[in-house]
Amino acid sequence: QQQVKQSPQSLIVQKGGISIINCAYENTAFDYFPWYQQFPGKGPALLIAIRPDVSEKKEGRFTISFNKSAKQFSLHIMDSQPGDSATYFCAASMRGSNYKLTFGKGTLLTVNP
Amino acid sequence: GAVVSQHPSWVICKSGTSVKIECRSLDFQATTMFWYRQFPKQSLMLMATSNEGSKATYEQGVEKDKFLINHASLTLSTLTVTSAHPEDSSFYICSTRSQGMNTEAFFGQGTRLTVV
Repeated sequence: QQQVKQSPQSLIVQKGGISIINCAYENTAFDYFPWYQQFPGKGPALLIAIRPDVSEKKEGRFTISFNKSAKQFSLHIMDSQPGDSATYFCAASMRGSNYKLTFGKGTLLTVNP
Repeated sequence: GAVVSQHPSWVICKSGTSVKIECRSLDFQATTMFWYRQFPKQSLMLMATSNEGSKATYEQGVEKDKFLINHASLTLSTLTVTSAHPEDSSFYICSTRSQGMNTEAFFGQGTRLTVV
């Protein structure tokens, strides 16, 4: 059972455009929702994270939108740059499980110059 | 963010041999460590969770006798792939978190294992 569903699988955006990646979760006990960026051959790096008590969080060009009633959250990358080309993973975790992360399947983002 | 050092970054070994991968937290005490496996173009699959000084908890379907995890100190965890076979070839990644911090997880740079 896939607890975190991520879409799209791949995304191509022009430089300067907005990249949007969506995730949906099933377990209402999740209380922490991070996004990770991974470059080929490297480990994931935390990009931005949100908790369910807020509906939006912005850090620079990256924004998480969170809809608790719909059990959905999304990553928006404004003014996308070729250097943003990477694989992005959403994830979710909850207290009482060692905070282990449940990952989405990932989105390969390509930003064309 | 915290620094997690994973070593080696890549290794090639012969079938039947064992390989040890180290994961070190360099600037905080990692009470919990996670080991993941990632196949090309796929997501991270959690293999096991270890807490310092106790036995690791393995996810369903992961052979504990094949993937030995030791978390003997607050700064070091090791994953040993025993009697490796070509199907064990994969990208292995460790992750740590501390009870003293928020729930943010820090990842190592990963180890590319190729079994020939």
